[in-house]
Amino acid sequence: GAVVSQHPSRVICKSGTSVKIECRSLDFQATTMFWYRQFPKQSLMLMATSNEGSKATYEQGVEKDKFLINHASLTLSTLTVTSAHPEDSSFYICSARARAANYNEQFFGPGTRLTVL
Amino acid sequence: GQQVMQIPQYQHVQEGEDFTTYCNSSTTLSNIQWYKQRPGGHPVFLIQLVKSGEVKKQKRLTFQFGEAKKNSSLHITATQTTDVGTYFCAVNTGGFKTIFGAGTRLFVKA
Repeated sequence: GAVVSQHPSRVICKSGTSVKIECRSLDFQATTMFWYRQFPKQSLMLMATSNEGSKATYEQGVEKDKFLINHASLTLSTLTVTSAHPEDSSFYICSARARAANYNEQFFGPGTRLTVL
Repeated sequence: GQQVMQIPQYQHVQEGEDFTTYCNSSTTLSNIQWYKQRPGGHPVFLIQLVKSGEVKKQKRLTFQFGEAKKNSSLHITATQTTDVGTYFCAVNTGGFKTIFGAGTRLFVKA
């Protein structure tokens, strides 16, 4: 099956620093990638939709200047949390939709657990 | 925006008992997907339902899509400890965006 990797898997940083998370589709081309955040024992909340070569579309309430998304190629999207604060601590998960997908299956990365001190 | 309600929030069962989680929407859905997330893991796609009244089975799992395409259920027969996790339904909005239900956490006691 299709594989999506995410790096790093875990990061601890100081308040005010920026953190970059990479999401890669390893064996398929992803026309669209999605970024979610998940708080403990809660559902996945869609943050933004990222299309290769174009600007990301952010969900209501998500600060685009704080969560910078770049979808540089058909296999790579990055999420940068700028000037991170403790309230940004969460589990960030990316997913990718394959270019040739006939229906709406998404393949999820393993997630990145961000802890901001 | 599109929302889907999922119940129950969590359920404790004895191994061997059955389990069902339900998703409901106020609007007609084009399709619905089901995902499983193990503790500490990421969501894994289980299935997509598209047709009105559709029923699909995967071993002990039975998925149903309502006739009006506004509700869906996932039923597990004779649960096992390996079934532990959170089960999410998910629906698509425009542009391939996927909105997840709140999830049902399943606890299985051996």
